[in-house]
Amino acid sequence: EAQVTQNPRYLITVTGKKLTVTCSQNMNHEYMSWYRQDPGLGLRQIYYSMNVEVTDKGDVPEGYKVSRKEKRNFPLILESPSPNQTSLYFCASSFSTGFEQYFGPGTRLTVT
Amino acid sequence: ELKVEQNPLFLSMQEGKNYTIYCNYSTTSDRLYWYRQDPGKSLESLFVLLSNGAVKQEGRLMASLDTKARLSTLHITAAVHDLSATYFCAVQPQETSGSRLTFGEGTQLTVNP
Repeated sequence: EAQVTQNPRYLITVTGKKLTVTCSQNMNHEYMSWYRQDPGLGLRQIYYSMNVEVTDKGDVPEGYKVSRKEKRNFPLILESPSPNQTSLYFCASSFSTGFEQYFGPGTRLTVT
Repeated sequence: ELKVEQNPLFLSMQEGKNYTIYCNYSTTSDRLYWYRQDPGKSLESLFVLLSNGAVKQEGRLMASLDTKARLSTLHITAAVHDLSATYFCAVQPQETSGSRLTFGEGTQLTVNP
């Protein structure tokens, strides 16, 4: 089954404790993205990647890091999480630009 | 800075009625996407519009793109309860490569029996 998976689905952590949210797709897609969703703000793109070792900033990259060492994986790293990073995070992938994106199930992160 | 504005943000309509959701954007673009999100769920792709005048239809939903007016519409025909969801448009600026996308705030649609 074609899918985008994210782990963990739910995470409660404390300020400053480094964490990684994993994202994996099994469709051999070249493009992958991370978004955060906050009430009243819609979805905002954090980072995107066009291929292995090719990443670029979206609208809200501050406080986040990404890496794309393998085509199927695109982890999101929060080196020192802060309460303003409490949000719902989505990973997405697509074959290329101009193609539909497939979204993962979401990761709800709470930073206290 | 690219702005993407949807209206209305909230829409309550009766079954059987027609309505249109509007998506305006502030920069040159010929790539626009529509997504649906059910409460507590992830996003599902509805339409990809890639040129001026593009029109796509799926069931009771029809999307169109006017790049000169920087406007896309999502038209709902004879609404049914199952269409209740939040609908997002997303725009890819023409001057960017890759998958740089800016989303609108979303339109929360409720279809009442």
